[in-house]
Amino acid sequence: DAGVTQSPTHLIKTRGQHVTLRCSPISGHKSVSWYQQVLGQGPQFIFQYYEKEERGRGNFPDRFSARQFPNYSSELNVNALLLGDSALYLCASSRTYLSYEQYFGPGTRLTVT
Amino acid sequence: ELKVEQNPLFLSMQEGKNYTIYCNYSTTSDRLYWYRQDPGKSLESLFVLLSNGAVKQEGRLMASLDTKARLSTLHITAAVHDLSATYFCAVVDAGNNRKLIWGLGTSLAVNP
Repeated sequence: DAGVTQSPTHLIKTRGQHVTLRCSPISGHKSVSWYQQVLGQGPQFIFQYYEKEERGRGNFPDRFSARQFPNYSSELNVNALLLGDSALYLCASSRTYLSYEQYFGPGTRLTVT
Repeated sequence: ELKVEQNPLFLSMQEGKNYTIYCNYSTTSDRLYWYRQDPGKSLESLFVLLSNGAVKQEGRLMASLDTKARLSTLHITAAVHDLSATYFCAVVDAGNNRKLIWGLGTSLAVNP
């Protein structure tokens, strides 16, 4: 079975622009979580979705939004990009939102200039 | 909000030596994870610890959990170069929508 996939792998944006990151969970997994990992730090939780509903939200501004589609894939949108949004964005999938096994994708490296 | 502290943050050790990484957390939790991350790569799950006294071992790594002390340890036995990576512990914050709270990571370098 394919693991968690994310696209794109890398991208470079300019301050003020908007970005959309995509994630496809493992087949059979219905929950997707998004994390931001700034260089040299641990991941920070952004959102969790399960069955297309938001189940958790971290301490991020409203510029960050996400959604989950009927096929359980997910998008993370970030508006009005700031330099501080430069990070590795990780997606993780699990069977349900309470599952203790969580599998991470390869990440999207976002650079904001 | 639950806080997670790891120490040390940086660890340089020789091959063949033993060492322990510590993970403390500030409030009660029912689940603790250890992950490994290689430079520029994603996170690889190593262990999930669910109960007090839980001990899990895989190869040269052994993780344990003491929920009363709110402490987990990751013990490295007879280190080899392939273990060089950053190790994170992460704890479920049951009082905050079960968010996963991460430590800063321990950057481990195993030298010949």
